[in-house]
Amino acid sequence: AQTVTQSQPEMSVQEAETVTLSCTYDTSESDYYLFWYKQPPSRQMILVIRQEAYKQQNATENRFSVNFQKAAKSFSLKISDSQLGDAAMYFCACHSGTYKYIFGTGTRLKVLA
Amino acid sequence: NAGVTQTPKFRVLKTGQSMTLLCAQDMNHEYMYWYRQDPGMGLRLIHYSVGEGTTAKGEVPDGYNVSRLKKQNFLLGLESAAPSQTSVYFCASSHLRGQPQHFGDGTRLSIL
Repeated sequence: AQTVTQSQPEMSVQEAETVTLSCTYDTSESDYYLFWYKQPPSRQMILVIRQEAYKQQNATENRFSVNFQKAAKSFSLKISDSQLGDAAMYFCACHSGTYKYIFGTGTRLKVLA
Repeated sequence: NAGVTQTPKFRVLKTGQSMTLLCAQDMNHEYMYWYRQDPGMGLRLIHYSVGEGTTAKGEVPDGYNVSRLKKQNFLLGLESAAPSQTSVYFCASSHLRGQPQHFGDGTRLSIL
């Protein structure tokens, strides 16, 4: 069975500092995709970053980057220069097969001024 | 520039009542999904569709039915609402395999 685990229910970071959110996954598929989504208090689900498993290079999107360790099945999200607007729930997700997306339970990020 | 639109945004039902949640997307996506989000449990897949006229069960399908008569619409029905179905419901769509899902703004459903 495919699983996604986010072991940090809550994290805090000072404004302008860097924080890393952890995610581990398990899938029997060789071809899969990994995502981080952000859910602010507005409840919207917003794509943060996408990683293709067959690519060794870590994905980056401005202040957001991932550390993708395929052998360890780890997919952590690093947020640099944290801003107040980064405060949200962050969900890690694994997509394999035709339709299957499995989400983790989320990490609530607090940004301290 | 609507993307994925969910109707309604909020609803309160009494136990045993029925209702239908509507999801509409204007991106010509093939795949559509219904999730429920409960505290501490992330998103769980209820039903999904890989094209017009097709539907399939996800992880937690009991108590729900779906229909996709038109490509752009995906309906989620509760025939006899139960308090355990109190949740936030999200619809999502995606175009091709490997592409990210686009989400609606969610429907908060309370069943008393």
